[in-house]
Amino acid sequence: NAGVTQTPKFQVLKTGQSMTLQCAQDMNHNSMYWYRQDPGMGLRLIYYSASEGTTDKGEVPNGYNVSRLNKREFSLRLESAAPSQTSVYFCASSWTSRNTGELFFGEGSRLTVL
Amino acid sequence: AQSVTQPDIHITVSEGASLELRCNYSYGATPYLFWYVQSPGQGLQLLLKYFSGDTLVQGIKGFEAEFKRSQSSFNLRKPSVHWSDAAEYFCAVAAMEYGNKLVFGAGTILRVKS
Repeated sequence: NAGVTQTPKFQVLKTGQSMTLQCAQDMNHNSMYWYRQDPGMGLRLIYYSASEGTTDKGEVPNGYNVSRLNKREFSLRLESAAPSQTSVYFCASSWTSRNTGELFFGEGSRLTVL
Repeated sequence: AQSVTQPDIHITVSEGASLELRCNYSYGATPYLFWYVQSPGQGLQLLLKYFSGDTLVQGIKGFEAEFKRSQSSFNLRKPSVHWSDAAEYFCAVAAMEYGNKLVFGAGTILRVKS
């Protein structure tokens, strides 16, 4: 059982380049999330999708866009990467967005912007 | 501002010793409370959660946590630490006034001495 799968696991970009992080879950969860993790700051929510067809901003959405492609997939796009976006990105999913349940996380995607 | 505070960035304990990781939150009502663990290079895994009822909750891997409303705390404990417990631990809160999305503390890195 794969759970939450993120690709790529590592990526190096130059400032101004664009890229998309892919995320897929096979648990039939309704809600999906993108977090970034920076040292000493824990995880901060970038965007989330409470259900298929909906997306909402989290705590740090600037510089990112998302697409909930279908129930399984939730992608995160950086249109013009900046060094401040160097981080580890985690995708997560849950049954609902009301957080009465558990979040399941992928293994992370480490992005470096030069 | 709403926040989750983990006062200890690093903690080192000897194998077999007891452990307590501190977590304080600042929300008006009693939120949903969680502890997650992150092993190196991995995503986060839920250890335990508190929604209501008994203020002492048991989790996986022998961990427990106690909710103290008067102190706005949710400290994680383990009676006897094993070397495999070395990881980073995150306290998280889901508060209704924040749309019930998880807000994470900055994390505490646990090192275990043999």
